[in-house]
Amino acid sequence: ETGVTQTPRHLVMGMTNKKSLKCEQHLGHNAMYWYKQSAKKPLELMFVYNFKEQTENNSVPSRFSPECPNSSHLFLHLHTLQPEDSALYLCASSQALAGGHVDTQYFGPGTRLTVL
Amino acid sequence: GQNIDQPTEMTATEGAIVQINCTYQTSGFNGLFWYQQHAGEAPTFLSYNVLDGLEEKGRFSSFLSRSKGYSYLLLKELQMKDSASYLCAGMDSNYQLIWGAGTKLIIKP
Repeated sequence: ETGVTQTPRHLVMGMTNKKSLKCEQHLGHNAMYWYKQSAKKPLELMFVYNFKEQTENNSVPSRFSPECPNSSHLFLHLHTLQPEDSALYLCASSQALAGGHVDTQYFGPGTRLTVL
Repeated sequence: GQNIDQPTEMTATEGAIVQINCTYQTSGFNGLFWYQQHAGEAPTFLSYNVLDGLEEKGRFSSFLSRSKGYSYLLLKELQMKDSASYLCAGMDSNYQLIWGAGTKLIIKP
């Protein structure tokens, strides 16, 4: 247990569906991250939130929409996805993003998403 | 550009020693992380190096050479449960992690 939980663990959706992924951290952290992990590829950073404010959006298509209502919860809303979006979506958290400070990121187990 | 290179797959024998190498190119450098990821599970933090040299933690050690842009993870007395992917990540000047694609380690009896 890393202190970061994600639901659901597995999700199959059609290209016209709308679904949401949920992440919750119990570590008292203030920074949260969404990553995409595809087979044999490096982790791709999608979004970063620091104290509930989005600080990073790495050119992610608008069919992915993040939401961070508080420092403990992070959502990823999905709509009209493509088959190439099938991947493992990982959530992570860290103490906080502050200049001159190195934080270790702690990961959830991920949601395995399949888009048909 | 920024890049992290590590072997795709390695095989080792139970009880033996294995070294997983990682070379990095980052814009600025704020340290090198190693994570372990079992299939279907969360990546878990193993080590962080920012100064040159070897850091030992039980059966696992991590080494860094900043001048060579090189790190390795050393696993001793291998156990079957060490079968996993090992992810190398460099932290750049913006404190963002640049990830390698991971090394899948297969342990054979």
